[in-house]
Amino acid sequence: AQSVTQLDSQVPVFEEAPVELRCNYSSSVSVYLFWYVQYPNQGLQLLLKYLSGSTLVESINGFEAEFNKSQTSFHLRKPSVHISNTAEYFCAVSDHRTGRRALTFGSGTRLQVQP
Amino acid sequence: DADVTQTPRNRITKTGKRIMLECSQTKGHDRMYWYRQDPGLGLRLIYYSFDVKDINKGEISDGYSVSRQAQAKFSLSLESAIPNQTALYFCATSEGGRGLYTGELFFGEGSRLTVL
Repeated sequence: AQSVTQLDSQVPVFEEAPVELRCNYSSSVSVYLFWYVQYPNQGLQLLLKYLSGSTLVESINGFEAEFNKSQTSFHLRKPSVHISNTAEYFCAVSDHRTGRRALTFGSGTRLQVQP
Repeated sequence: DADVTQTPRNRITKTGKRIMLECSQTKGHDRMYWYRQDPGLGLRLIYYSFDVKDINKGEISDGYSVSRQAQAKFSLSLESAIPNQTALYFCATSEGGRGLYTGELFFGEGSRLTVL
């Protein structure tokens, strides 16, 4: 079964600083990768996804993540964060060889943007 | 209106009571899921259903049961609630079938359950 590791449970950062949230997954030849964001008292929203093609994927609000197959990683980055980016971020993986498995989530990273 | 609707949004109950959390969706997706969220543990899969007649246990199904009443409805039951079932519960949906499946989930807003 797939597993996902988010190494940092909390990441404090000052506004306008760059940030990287780390995600590693257990090895598989065929995976889809996702980052979801959860704002306080809300459900999860898809931030970005890697299905195939370019290994660098971007969101509409300035986040990007790079699929690194050799390191089995899918780290999330933003060059300059805003107070509004304060939220919990979840990395998730899907093994699509059979299509019969549900998404597996990491334990989450709480991003705290300080003024 | 939300595409994935969960009821109730908040519920406080006592140990031993039977509780049902309901989920309905208007996205037309075949697949539906129940996850549980606990601080520091992320989301863990309780049950999932690929269609009305295909229901599967997830990693933490003990103490829970589900019913897929129709393509659009998927209910989670706690037959005899206990305090360590206090958590935030999420229903989610996804496309299904080869060629459509990506694993991308669409979530409801969550049901917060407190068991005293």
